Amino acid sequence: NAGVTQTPKFQVLKTGQSMTLQCAQDMNHNSMYWYRQDPGMGLRLIYYSASEGTTDKGEVPNGYNVSRLNKREFSLRLESAAPSQTSVYFCAISRSHGTTNEKLFFGSGTQLSVL
Amino acid sequence: DQQVKQNSPSLSVQEGRISILNCDYTNSMFDYFLWYKKYPAEGPTFLISISSIKDKNEDGRFTVFLNKSAKHLSLHIVPSQPGDSAVYFCAAIFTGTASKLTFGTGTRLQVTL
Repeated sequence: NAGVTQTPKFQVLKTGQSMTLQCAQDMNHNSMYWYRQDPGMGLRLIYYSASEGTTDKGEVPNGYNVSRLNKREFSLRLESAAPSQTSVYFCAISRSHGTTNEKLFFGSGTQLSVL
Repeated sequence: DQQVKQNSPSLSVQEGRISILNCDYTNSMFDYFLWYKKYPAEGPTFLISISSIKDKNEDGRFTVFLNKSAKHLSLHIVPSQPGDSAVYFCAAIFTGTASKLTFGTGTRLQVTL
């Protein structure tokens, strides 16, 4: 998973607390993504940023906000955490969006538990 | 609405034998398909891909087959090795638009000695 760094690796929150998951890349790729992985559900896209300065909703955006801080960094914020947001979160990058270059490189994930 | 389906949650294969992982899709607009492998506590890593203009792509022990008429793709691993034990996700996309990769639910492969 070289090139995509996620912090923190583990986090436990109480319902209603807020937190920000950080993602940084050093591969100079244009597009960045946040996915969540739940048992039996596969990987589901929360938000993505096709290029610096743009963000768009994915399949499951409710309860989340994102910020593309610069080309390297893309953060995911939970304003008021809910138990349904207990999941493993992955940041991913790709050279470009929506082309055959859509090979994603993933970070190692953040295990989030909301009690 | 699961557009990409992996109907086998798990698969066990003996070392040296062939592993066949299957994936079905419903959206006929998908034109590019990928397989990712995921080890525990790691992010998924890209394994192999295939464009809809092909019906087969091979990379070492890994071969992906695409049957467009059946909307079905499969990943063959020959011979299977213990290090292949992982969760495998198939993914699909309609390229050239603002669409995003759609992932299947994953198949856990266990290669036994």
